[in-house]
Amino acid sequence: GAGVSQSPSNKVTEKGKDVELRCDPISGHTALYWYRQSLGQGLEFLIYFQGNSAPDKSGLPSDRFSAERTGGSVSTLTIQRTQQEDSAVYLCASSLAQRNTIYFGEGSWLTVV
Amino acid sequence: QKEVEQDPGPLSVPEGAIVSLNCTYSNSAFQYFMWYRQYSRKGPELLMYTYSSGNKEDGRFTAQVDKSSKYISLFIRDSQPSDSATYLCAMTSGAGSYQLTFGKGTKLSVIP
Repeated sequence: GAGVSQSPSNKVTEKGKDVELRCDPISGHTALYWYRQSLGQGLEFLIYFQGNSAPDKSGLPSDRFSAERTGGSVSTLTIQRTQQEDSAVYLCASSLAQRNTIYFGEGSWLTVV
Repeated sequence: QKEVEQDPGPLSVPEGAIVSLNCTYSNSAFQYFMWYRQYSRKGPELLMYTYSSGNKEDGRFTAQVDKSSKYISLFIRDSQPSDSATYLCAMTSGAGSYQLTFGKGTKLSVIP
């Protein structure tokens, strides 16, 4: 596709359930990023992939969060045993190699009830 | 002190006004500065990208960086209702640095 595609666009889940969020980056972009945006907060870096490798996972908030990328393309962010404080917009972005000009998807809006 | 400070607003201006949006930062290593625009329930969209100090103009938008004061600005001339959005500043230290540090964003409303 022309831009970064994320799914689902909206997700309401019960506390304690696991969720998977998917990101399909711009074709040809080798770098992929996950950010989180909570209400009234700035964007918080979660993880960065170069190809299928994640050199930096330091932004993941807890061990309930994990991410993977396969085939140098699609990435999945998984949140296990969701908590109410996980409610946020999860934004995926991609860029050519490792560049500052990153392009965001429209986000996955997660609500944990 | 947070690394990047940005007044959240909201900022409300009449159509046609000149808008000034600002961020201050504390990390002197930041060299690359960006402004993103985010419409409601949409992802951020890159507006301007500048390196080091100076000005950059693109249509009605001008980005200004003053590294000595650790202060960056985005000016919007002849503001339009379609400019109503949240504006996020972002910055990083190196050309190959992958982790951007964002401000919290300023919500702008341009009233017709």
